[in-house]
Amino acid sequence: AQKVTQAQTEISVVEKEDVTLDCVYETRDTTYYLFWYKQPPSGELVFLIRRNSFDEQNEISGRYSWNFQKSTSSFNFTITASQVVDSAVYFCALSEGYNNNDMRFGAGTRLTVKP
Amino acid sequence: DTAVSQTPKYLVTQMGNDKSIKCEQNLGHDTMYWYKQDSKKFLKIMFSYNNKELIINETVPNRFSPKSPDKAHLNLHINSLELGDSAVYFCASSQEGGITEAFFGQGTRLTVV
Repeated sequence: AQKVTQAQTEISVVEKEDVTLDCVYETRDTTYYLFWYKQPPSGELVFLIRRNSFDEQNEISGRYSWNFQKSTSSFNFTITASQVVDSAVYFCALSEGYNNNDMRFGAGTRLTVKP
Repeated sequence: DTAVSQTPKYLVTQMGNDKSIKCEQNLGHDTMYWYKQDSKKFLKIMFSYNNKELIINETVPNRFSPKSPDKAHLNLHINSLELGDSAVYFCASSQEGGITEAFFGQGTRLTVV
């Protein structure tokens, strides 16, 4: 089965710092889909981005950017000029093309942004 | 209008009881899931359904039984509750399995005492 590793359990930064959350994945499939979700202290899970394995273009959305590199099996997430409201647990997830009803999550990275 | 709604939001019950959590999605999605989030925030898939058909059934005790009366609903029934069942349970739906993003309900915090 596919596997997602988020090695950073917790990260703490001061407001306005840039921070990168790492995600490394393992899959035997050539077709797969990667996702990032945010879970703020209120507890809901909020979808941030989806990428398929054929689209290695990096993405920028405001202060958020994502770097997808198949060569290193990584899909890292950078927050530029972090804000206190970015404090949350961030999850990376992966589903494989051949069994695509099975979305697996990494263990999550807890980001704390201090004022 | 809430896209994925689950009830109840909080559930406190005694060991040995049977309880159900209901989930409904109004997005017209074909796939629905149940995930369990433990105290360390780890999200583990339990079940996935596609058009009312069970697709994924992870290593979950058979005290947990999902039921999908139609593709908009996926309920979770738990028999003989144990202390270790305490967790947050999330229902989710997606348009096309794992190809598309999943939308999550607000979660049900189950506490077994």
